[in-house]
Amino acid sequence: GQQLNQSPQSMFIQEGEDVSMNCTSSSIFNTWLWYKQDPGEGPVLLIALYKAGELTSNGRLTAQFGITRKDSFLNISASIPSDVGIYFCAGSPRFGAGTRLTVKP
Amino acid sequence: EPEVTQTPSHQVTQMGQEVILRCVPISNHLYFYWYRQILGQKVEFLVSFYNNEISEKSEIFDDQFSVERPDGSNFTLKIRSTKLEDSAMYFCASSEPGGGYTFGSGTRLTVV
Repeated sequence: GQQLNQSPQSMFIQEGEDVSMNCTSSSIFNTWLWYKQDPGEGPVLLIALYKAGELTSNGRLTAQFGITRKDSFLNISASIPSDVGIYFCAGSPRFGAGTRLTVKP
Repeated sequence: EPEVTQTPSHQVTQMGQEVILRCVPISNHLYFYWYRQILGQKVEFLVSFYNNEISEKSEIFDDQFSVERPDGSNFTLKIRSTKLEDSAMYFCASSEPGGGYTFGSGTRLTVV
């Protein structure tokens, strides 16, 4: 089946720092999705990418769909405490293992 | 903003019993999904459903599981003969064709 490799598994950063996480796959995807999950909640869509090479921003979040359609990254700039959570990439319909982000004030 | 609604929010069942988890997808969405998340672990894809049939399923979705769209609004996941290891959060999601998925808040299933 399709496997998504997401890294890093976890990150501990200071408030104000920038963050980068990525996903790779051996399979080609037509859509890459990035989600955030808070404890006890369902995943919430952050950014959807539909075209190879597409770079999309949503506030302090920026994500890119790799040219090969096998990878994607998510950047968070100027992190704040409420960025804490687990970030998942998804290549329809499967999810990566998640990146757990901790932001220290 | 349109929501995906899941009921119940928490279900406790005895091992060996059958459970039905219910979802009301967003009304104009055409694709429906069930996911499972064991506590502290990744979100695992179970099944996708389109045009009244399963479009894709994972290796987890074996004969113990079934899905149904019994009417124009509900989408259900049935788990037969539940086992302790079926305890997890079960999320329903829906989407437009090619669109991002909207997730419900989940049903926490506890098998005792």
